[in-house]
Amino acid sequence: AQSVTQLDSQVPVFEEAPVELRCNYSSSVSVYLFWYVQYPNQGLQLLLKYLSGSTLVKGINGFEAEFNKSQTSFHLRKPSVHISDTAEYVCAVSGGYGQNFVFGPGTRLSVLP
Amino acid sequence: NAGVTQTPKFRVLKTGQSMTLLCAQDMNHEYMYWYRQDPGMGLRLIHYSVGEGTTAKGEVPDGYNVSRLKKQNFLLGLESAAPSQTSVYFCASSYSAGLQHFGDGTRLSIL
Repeated sequence: AQSVTQLDSQVPVFEEAPVELRCNYSSSVSVYLFWYVQYPNQGLQLLLKYLSGSTLVKGINGFEAEFNKSQTSFHLRKPSVHISDTAEYVCAVSGGYGQNFVFGPGTRLSVLP
Repeated sequence: NAGVTQTPKFRVLKTGQSMTLLCAQDMNHEYMYWYRQDPGMGLRLIHYSVGEGTTAKGEVPDGYNVSRLKKQNFLLGLESAAPSQTSVYFCASSYSAGLQHFGDGTRLSIL
């Protein structure tokens, strides 16, 4: 069975500062890893995904994440955040289809002016 | 291209009432899912479907039923609503592993 941990429930950061949102997972099988963003009153939108290949994955809106198999992590980073990045960020892991998709509890990113 | 559409967007029910949430997708996806989202707990899978006419239980299926009579539609039913079912419900669909597309959610309050 898979599980996902997002240790930071809330992350406040000033505009134009860098940010890292942490995600750790546990799984006994090979995994696919994802970051989703959720704006208020909306569903989840895919930011980026790791399926295989390069461990550094680039996504939309200037975000990137690095898959670290030895540390079982998939942390999300952005070098300079904007007010519009304020949202909930959800890490997810999948070992395949259907019921194997597990979501983390989410991290609320608040970008301050 | 509408993607995944959920109706209704908001609903208030009294304990014991029944209702059906509708999810429709226009991407010809085989897989469809119903999740509930509660504060601090992340998304939890209620039921899912791997194709027309098939459904399966997820992590928290009790108190819910589903049907997938048409490939593009996935219905979630509450036969006798309970306050513990107050939540935000999300539908998603996918063609392959992990590439799930989400609807905007249904906010359901049970009084």
